[in-house]
Amino acid sequence: GENVEQHPSTLSVQEGDSAVIKCTYSDSASNYFPWYKQELGKRPQLIIDIRSNVGEKKDQRIAVTLNKTAKHFSLHITETQPEDSAVYFCASSLSGGYNKLIFGAGTRLAVHP
Amino acid sequence: GAVVSQHPSRVICKSGTSVKIECRSLDFQATTMFWYRQFPKQSLMLMATSNEGSKATYEQGVEKDKFLINHASLTLSTLTVTSAHPEDSSFYICSARDSERGGPETQYFGPGTRLLVL
Repeated sequence: GENVEQHPSTLSVQEGDSAVIKCTYSDSASNYFPWYKQELGKRPQLIIDIRSNVGEKKDQRIAVTLNKTAKHFSLHITETQPEDSAVYFCASSLSGGYNKLIFGAGTRLAVHP
Repeated sequence: GAVVSQHPSRVICKSGTSVKIECRSLDFQATTMFWYRQFPKQSLMLMATSNEGSKATYEQGVEKDKFLINHASLTLSTLTVTSAHPEDSSFYICSARDSERGGPETQYFGPGTRLLVL
C-alpha cells in the first residue's frame, strides 16, 4: 500500500527564516497532496494542497512543490513567525475508491523569536 | 464554512464500558466520513471509512467488532468503542469530505475527542 515518509521530524528556525519540510510517497497513482497544521490538542487544519497536474502552488507565505517523477513534494514557509510553530503533516491521497489520506509522521516546527 | 464538530470533546470511562463519539458536518452534507486515531506525538492513523447508508470499511488491523461505526445520515457518523480498555486511550478525530467546496479529496477535520480509559 501507499507509504508517505516525512522529514525532518523536528525543525527549529529563527523568526524570519524559511522552513522546508519534505515528503516522499510510494504510489505513483496518488494524485492529491495536502498539508495540515496541527497545534497541540487541536484539529489538523488544511493549509495548502496540490494536485498532480500542478507543479507548484503558492498562498502568501506558504508554497508547495511537487515532483511527480521523483515522487517528492515539499512545503515551504517563508518569513516564519512564532505562530507558525506547530506540527505539520503531509499526506497523499490514493486515487479512486474513497480517496483516503495516508499521512506522514509529522514535523514539529519551532520558530524562535 | 466546511465545519465539522465532534462530541464529546473529552471522555473518561472505566475499563469494560462502551463510549460513543459523534461526528457531525454542520454546513454541508458528507456521504463519506473518516475516523482516525492519534496517539501522543504520533501521526494520524486511519481506522475506517464511514459511508452513509452502508457498512464502514475498516483498515487492516482495526477490529470492526470493537470499533462500531454508524453513518445514518449525511451529516452524522458515530464511532462506538466497545468494551474499552486502557490501551484504547487516544485522541479520536473524524473528518468529512466536502466535495463541492474543496474538491473530491479535501477532508475537513473535527476537533477531536480525547478518550481516557481507566
